[in-house]
Amino acid sequence: QSVLTQPPSVSGAPGQRVTISCTGSSSNIGAGYDVHWYQQLPGTAPKLLIYGNNNRPSGVPDRFSGSKSGTSASLAITGLLAEDEADYYCQSYDSGLVGVFGGGTKLTVL
Amino acid sequence: QLQLQESGPGLVKTSETLSLTCTVFGGSISSYTYYWGWIRQPPGKGLEWIGTIYYSGSTYYNPSLKSRVTISVDTSKMQFSLNLNSVTAADTAVYYCARILRDSGYSASYGYVDLWGRGTLVTVSS
Repeated sequence: QSVLTQPPSVSGAPGQRVTISCTGSSSNIGAGYDVHWYQQLPGTAPKLLIYGNNNRPSGVPDRFSGSKSGTSASLAITGLLAEDEADYYCQSYDSGLVGVFGGGTKLTVL
Repeated sequence: QLQLQESGPGLVKTSETLSLTCTVFGGSISSYTYYWGWIRQPPGKGLEWIGTIYYSGSTYYNPSLKSRVTISVDTSKMQFSLNLNSVTAADTAVYYCARILRDSGYSASYGYVDLWGRGTLVTVSS
């Protein structure tokens, strides 16, 4: 049971927009800690996609965006491409400066 | 370009201690800006934060693992290490070492992993 809750799977057709939700609690996201998102392709280490709720590292396309409100956050992907098919994880801090993850969401591009 | 590389046994016996080391290449481990940490991923499952260490030796552990985990740092060797004792099959996972942004005031945010090692699979078996 992960501390942050994500849907196990989402899907969309090429070119469409999908969103992935991440729900926490008052000890993590609701406590004001930022939410970060990672993309993990099969057999590889996760890659930072969004940091600080809505900031993209250099090299991440602007098709990816993040938002946060209250105890929840969302990742949006527009103009879906086949290469976006991957697992996506949200992450925040909890009390004691320990990181917590969502259970991961598998994105399928139809 | 800074890189992280995990090393250690790929097979550990049940009830023994899992020991891994992460070597930092191409940069300094004695940075005001970062923590160094361990994250694991059981086969086919999600990510789990194990803990982090600052170069001074301050540590922060996942409460669910705290009784079995020790993370240490050797700045002279540019390495930090993970010891997890009394392992069971549930500890079988890919173990990643990671660099985590610290709340140093120099970044727009903190608490996220901006650099990962490639990961190493550790299997626990009798």
